[in-house]
Amino acid sequence: QQQVKQSPQSLIVQKGGISIINCAYENTAFDYFPWYQQFPGKGPALLIAIRPDVSEKKEGRFTISFNKSAKQFSLHIMDSQPGDSATYFCAASAGSNYKLTFGKGTLLTVNP
Amino acid sequence: KAGVTQTPRYLIKTRGQQVTLSCSPISGHRSVSWYQQTPGQGLQFLFEYFSETQRNKGNFPGRFSGRQFSNSRSEMNVSTLELGDSALYLCASGDYYGYTFGSGTRLTVV
Repeated sequence: QQQVKQSPQSLIVQKGGISIINCAYENTAFDYFPWYQQFPGKGPALLIAIRPDVSEKKEGRFTISFNKSAKQFSLHIMDSQPGDSATYFCAASAGSNYKLTFGKGTLLTVNP
Repeated sequence: KAGVTQTPRYLIKTRGQQVTLSCSPISGHRSVSWYQQTPGQGLQFLFEYFSETQRNKGNFPGRFSGRQFSNSRSEMNVSTLELGDSALYLCASGDYYGYTFGSGTRLTVV
């Protein structure tokens, strides 16, 4: 049972455009929602994270939007750059449980 | 601040052998988790240790085991390797603010 569903599987965006990746979850106990960025040959790197007490969090060009009632959250990358080309994973965990449940990932390609 | 260190980076083992992977977490982090990453299944949780105790375990067979030492360093062991165990094994250490992953150990079983 996939508890975190991520879409799209792949995304191609032009330089300067907005990249949007969506995730939906089923477990209402989840209360921590991070996004990770992974480059080939590297481990995932924490990009930005949100807890359900806020509906949006912005850090630089990266924004998480969170909709608790719909059990959905999304990552927006503004002014996308070729250096943003990577695989992005959403994830979720519950309480003090340090177990992350990951989405399947989105391969983002930003064309120059 | 040093990151999460995993050794070795690459391993090639023969089916039926066993393997031990090592992880040194970020200083001060008491929680260490292990994940398996494959193209087909994505990132899957193996287990998590906190202060030398296993707190959580994923849905993997008993051939996969781990432990954590008093200095928070962790090891995972896979016995009787199968071809399907070929994967990138990632260690993450964390606290309330998030989890930091190492670069992983690429295990190839032939």
